[in-house]
Amino acid sequence: AQSVTQPDIHITVSEGASLELRCNYSYGATPYLFWYVQSPGQGLQLLLKYFSGDTLVQGIKGFEAEFKRSQSSFNLRKPSVHWSDAAEYFCAVGGRAAGNKLTFGGGTRVLVKP
Amino acid sequence: DVKVTQSSRYLVKRTGEKVFLECVQDMDHENMFWYRQDPGLGLRLIYFSYDVKMKEKGDIPEGYSVSREKKERFSLILESASTNQTSMYLCASSRTSGSYHEQYFGPGTRLTVT
Repeated sequence: AQSVTQPDIHITVSEGASLELRCNYSYGATPYLFWYVQSPGQGLQLLLKYFSGDTLVQGIKGFEAEFKRSQSSFNLRKPSVHWSDAAEYFCAVGGRAAGNKLTFGGGTRVLVKP
Repeated sequence: DVKVTQSSRYLVKRTGEKVFLECVQDMDHENMFWYRQDPGLGLRLIYFSYDVKMKEKGDIPEGYSVSREKKERFSLILESASTNQTSMYLCASSRTSGSYHEQYFGPGTRLTVT
């Protein structure tokens, strides 16, 4: 069965500092990987996705993520955080073997200090 | 843009009441999903549907049922609401082909059962 682990429940970062959110997945075949962001009181918005090809993918709002197959990881990064990046971030995995379903991690809540 | 709407943003119901949560998508997606979101647990799949009148149980279907009579609409039903069903409920939709299972989410319904 597929699974996703986000080891950090909360992260606090200063505005302007860099941010890295960790995601480790378990999936028996080629994974489809996603990062979603949820602002307070809102639904989930897709930040970026990886299916194949270049292992460094660019997303919206200045985010990027790197797929490392050997480490089963798909970490999310942003070089300089803005106050509006305060939100909850979810990593998800899917793939052909999973049908149309995604499995989500527990989420990481990011707090941004002024 | 894909739009997924949910009938209520906030709902308060009493224990034992029958509760209907409605979800509508406007992009002719084949697949629709219901998740519940609880702190630290991420998103857990309740039910999903891959076609009209078709449904499959997700990871936590107990206490819930669903209905999909039209392609654009997917309803979640709590037959007899209980306090442990107090949660955020998120609806999502996706295409079957060519999308790598990317899901689009509604804004969520925060349900409180008293």
